[in-house]
Amino acid sequence: AQKITQTQPGMFVQEKEAVTLDCTYDTSDQSYGLFWYKQPSSGEMIFLIYQGSYDEQNATEGRYSLNFQKARKSANLVISASQLGDSAMYFCAMREYSYSGAGSYQLTFGKGTKLSVIP
Amino acid sequence: KAGVTQTPRYLIKTRGQQVTLSCSPISGHRSVSWYQQTPGQGLQFLFEYFSETQRNKGNFPGRFSGRQFSNSRSEMNVSTLELGDSALYLCASRSGTSGGPQETQYFGPGTRLLVL
Repeated sequence: AQKITQTQPGMFVQEKEAVTLDCTYDTSDQSYGLFWYKQPSSGEMIFLIYQGSYDEQNATEGRYSLNFQKARKSANLVISASQLGDSAMYFCAMREYSYSGAGSYQLTFGKGTKLSVIP
Repeated sequence: KAGVTQTPRYLIKTRGQQVTLSCSPISGHRSVSWYQQTPGQGLQFLFEYFSETQRNKGNFPGRFSGRQFSNSRSEMNVSTLELGDSALYLCASRSGTSGGPQETQYFGPGTRLLVL
């Protein structure tokens, strides 16, 4: 089973509108982190926002917010007031973390959602 | 602070050759990870190095190897290249000091490798 599922291969949004990108995850760990990255056509992965499994409040970073529903294992990214520069691939990723001393760091990524912002 | 840098940005090789990619992490970061991105398989973890030691390795054949130097710079080597090795190779660094799940990896621009 996939650990990170992004069901929307592509999305369109009108400029200045809000858009929600879906992400569901699968883990048996109690402690984990969820990340969203943006990848423009240039290729670089740009960190957007982080949500920890123990965080009670939804994370927000400027125009980005994360709708975290732990029981449903979903971590949807909400982009408010879309801009043309938001057109890119968006990836949801998870780090499963077991506090066993010096742990390693490995992100598992979803397949991504291609967002296109229409003027 | 300068971000993660990767060299070269583009590379063309032929089957059977070997290739070395380089990554310089953000200043002060001790951990470097490598990921492979292809249209078919998506983003896949290759390995992580922390203070010159390999911490973790993904499910890749032994042709893929890496190392990290004392200044935290890392190199990744692929020997006996195959057509399927054509991909975007991304390097990411993290400080490695907080130890918590909230620690973030920051990625470089990637190296696009084309194997002919």
